[in-house]
Amino acid sequence: EIVLTQSPGTLSLSPGERATLSCRASQSVSSSYLVWYQQKIGQTPRLLIYGASNRATGIPDRFSGSGSGTDFTLTISRLEPEDFAVYYCQQYVTSPRYTFGQGTRLEIK
Amino acid sequence: EVQLVESGGGLVQPGGSLRLSCAASGFSFSSYAMNWVRQAPGKGLEWLAYVGVGSSVLYYADSVKGRFTISRDDAKNSVYLQMNSLTAEDTAMYYCVRDNADCSTGTCYLIRFDAWGQGTPVTVSS
Repeated sequence: EIVLTQSPGTLSLSPGERATLSCRASQSVSSSYLVWYQQKIGQTPRLLIYGASNRATGIPDRFSGSGSGTDFTLTISRLEPEDFAVYYCQQYVTSPRYTFGQGTRLEIK
Repeated sequence: EVQLVESGGGLVQPGGSLRLSCAASGFSFSSYAMNWVRQAPGKGLEWLAYVGVGSSVLYYADSVKGRFTISRDDAKNSVYLQMNSLTAEDTAMYYCVRDNADCSTGTCYLIRFDAWGQGTPVTVSS
């Protein structure tokens, strides 16, 4: 079973700074199936990045995704106040089908 | 506008059953696979179940296999989750989620959950 481990668990930054969030898979996975979601407090998760690097419709270009194999990264180039949220990575796996990372909380410093 | 509206959540006693419904609108429902995902209070996201187009395939997380059953009714643009033998660990917000992918080559790539409902809460307690 593939396990996705996100780090750090909590990231404290200020608006305007650059955020780098990591998602590491326990074994090599296809970048085609690596997805990032954003969830703000009290809200439903929102699709951010799919296929490791493709921004979803309406997602600002300050959000970018990269990586391959076992290591994937979500980067927010300049943090806006509305970016402080929890971020999850997700991977399609053969069995059982999907798995999520445990999440990274991005908080205002 | 794509909309997914869940219903059927509530308070249920341990060992009880509940059936969740999700009404879809704004897209060609029969052309998409659908999922259920849950989130326990203060916890992360947990994928639970998948139903393919035309109910061709069903998949379940180990945590719910044998207890939960996903189904769909394309005539009603709806997907369901029948939950049996509920325990306190099933207490969570339950989301209905659309599964999207690029399958033009026969193999599906760029799989993602691109539409989420607002969720329906389930509390299992005596």
